[in-house]
Amino acid sequence: DIQMTQSPSSLSASVGDRVTITCRASQSISSYLNWYQQKPGKAPKLLIYPASSLQSGVPSRFSGSGSGTDFTLTISSLQPEDFATYYCQQSHSTPFAFGQGTRLEIK
Amino acid sequence: QVQLVESGGGVVQPGRSLRLSCAASQFTFSNYAMHWVRQAPGKGLEWVALISYDGSNKYYADSVKGRFTISRDNSKNTLHLQMNSLRAEDTAVYYCAKEKFAMRLVVPGYGMDVWGQGTTVTVSS
Repeated sequence: DIQMTQSPSSLSASVGDRVTITCRASQSISSYLNWYQQKPGKAPKLLIYPASSLQSGVPSRFSGSGSGTDFTLTISSLQPEDFATYYCQQSHSTPFAFGQGTRLEIK
Repeated sequence: QVQLVESGGGVVQPGRSLRLSCAASQFTFSNYAMHWVRQAPGKGLEWVALISYDGSNKYYADSVKGRFTISRDNSKNTLHLQMNSLRAEDTAVYYCAKEKFAMRLVVPGYGMDVWGQGTTVTVSS
């Protein structure tokens, strides 16, 4: 099975900061990597698929890159509504594993 | 708008069974593969199961294989998760989610673009 590892596990940042979250797969997953945002008590929301396509309605300050085993999610200028937990998920082969999550907190 | 609504959660004793349902609306349900994803209290997301748009292919996480069964009724726009031999570690919020693209091979996938609000399953004596 493919394992997904995100870093960092938590991150403190300020409004306006540029933030990068990394996701690494235990083996190549081509570009089949998706990113989700989850706020407390809410369902996850798809942000990026696969690797770099922006989901409809998601602000352009979110971007994704990478292929193979290494991927990044970048938020170019943090807004107050971006403080949440972010998950990567591989959809290359089942089981479709998620990363452990990155909690983005206000500094 | 496109909507998924889960039901069937509750408190159940270890070893017992429970059946979750997910009602879909405002999209052609029979064209899309569907997933179940769960989240234990205070923990991250765990993918549970996937079913193809026509129900012909099913995939499971190792943690539930042999105990859980995913199914769908396209005539009723409903997805199900039959959970047997429940364990304390199955305690979680269970979400159903729609695969982003229609009528294609489910593996590889392109992400889950619509999610339900979740239903809570608690396994406790």
